[in-house]
Amino acid sequence: KAGVTQTPRYLIKTRGQQVTLSCSPISGHRSVSWYQQTPGQGLQFLFEYFSETQRNKGNFPGRFSGRQFSNSRSEMNVSTLELGDSALYLCASSLGDRGPGGGYTFGSGTRLTVV
Amino acid sequence: DAKTTQPPSMDCAEGRAANLPCNHSTISGNEYVYWYRQIHSQGPQYIIHGLKNNETNEMASLIITEDRKSSTLILPHATLRDTAVYYCIASSLIQGAQKLVFGQGTRLTINP
Repeated sequence: KAGVTQTPRYLIKTRGQQVTLSCSPISGHRSVSWYQQTPGQGLQFLFEYFSETQRNKGNFPGRFSGRQFSNSRSEMNVSTLELGDSALYLCASSLGDRGPGGGYTFGSGTRLTVV
Repeated sequence: DAKTTQPPSMDCAEGRAANLPCNHSTISGNEYVYWYRQIHSQGPQYIIHGLKNNETNEMASLIITEDRKSSTLILPHATLRDTAVYYCIASSLIQGAQKLVFGQGTRLTINP
């Protein structure tokens, strides 16, 4: 079956701009989580969506937002980009409403570079 | 979620068992131990998880001490493709909601 698909794979933006990243989860998965990975901070949790509702949130400023659609696809938006937002943004999906079995399946990420 | 402590790096010879330790001395009763790995430039990959009992799947075995304060991930016959950063995570699941708190992990290098 198809894995988690993230688009685009690479993105270059200018400071002050905004960006939208997309994530299509595995078919049947209703939970989508977003993570930011940087060399300095490692992997950090941004937020999780389940059935179109944000269910968990990490410690990121309000410039980072997301949403989930009825087909479970999710988008993440970063407004007023800063140089420090340059990172690999990873999306992970899971069934979300059962036990912990199977873990999360991660996509390959979107590498965002802010110049 | 409980903090986990892992050695920053380890080496293992190809074909031998790789044993990766993890300390989680403050783990609570409802927190599972998860292991993920990340091969360079890819997203993390789920390996295995457990609560109290030892677990085994096609990728690895997970040994959890009786007091649950530490665990060991075992890759029984390591190959070069097992070279990756391995993350041990203690995380609870509340009504299906979960966030994974990744530490710095262990960089495992498999040598030919």
